[in-house]
Amino acid sequence: TQLLEQSPQFLSIQEGENLTVYCNSSSVFSSLQWYRQEPGEGPVLLVTVVTGGEVKKLKRLTFQFGDARKDSSLHITAAQPGDTGLYLCAGATNAGKSTFGDGTTLTVKP
Amino acid sequence: DSGVTQTPKHLITATGQRVTLRCSPRSGDLSVYWYQQSLDQGLQFLIQYYNGEERAKGNILERFSAQQFPDLHSELNLSSLELGDSALYFCASSVGGAPNEQFFGPGTRLTVL
Repeated sequence: TQLLEQSPQFLSIQEGENLTVYCNSSSVFSSLQWYRQEPGEGPVLLVTVVTGGEVKKLKRLTFQFGDARKDSSLHITAAQPGDTGLYLCAGATNAGKSTFGDGTTLTVKP
Repeated sequence: DSGVTQTPKHLITATGQRVTLRCSPRSGDLSVYWYQQSLDQGLQFLIQYYNGEERAKGNILERFSAQQFPDLHSELNLSSLELGDSALYFCASSVGGAPNEQFFGPGTRLTVL
C-alpha cells in the first residue's frame, strides 16, 4: 500500500505570507496531482506533475516533483484569504491506483 | 463546475437500509471513481470503473457495490447501512484508465441515523 504523508496537517498564516506544504512517500509514482478542496465540495484539480524534478507554476503557486518521483511540494507566495482550503496530494501508480494524502488545511487570515 | 454530476446531494436514512448514489461523468470521460470522505479517515478510494468494467478496487466494503452502465454513468449501492457509513461520497471521472487527472463531482452527503 502506497502511503502519502502530508505536512503540516494544519497551517494558519496571515495574508501576504509565504508557505510551503509537503507531500512525501516511500513509493515511486508515475504522476502526482495536487487538489484543493473547500468544505462540503469536491476536490478541484490544480496541477499534475509527471517528470522527476519538474517544476510547474500556477500564478502564485509553485509545484515541484522530487527527482525520485516520491515526493512533492507546493509553495504559495503572498497568500490570500481565497487560498484557504484543504490541499490534497494524490499519487498515481502504473498499476492504475491513486492514493490520496490526508491533506493540509490552510487558513489565511486577512 | 467540473462537469461531473452526482445525485442526490443529501441523503438521510436509517441503519439497515439500502441506498443508491448516482454519478454522471464529464462528457468524453471513460473512467469513474468512487471515494468516501469522513472526518477521521480522509479521502478513501473505493472503486474504479473504466468503460463499463471494474478497473481497480480500494477499501470497498462487501456491503457496497458499484457498476458502470453503457452510457457510462455509474451507481454506488450501499446496503445494510451502519452509523459509520455516514460520510461524503464523491464520484470523479477521468478520460483514460489511469487516475492521473480526476475531476470530482459535488458529492453526496449521506447521514445514517
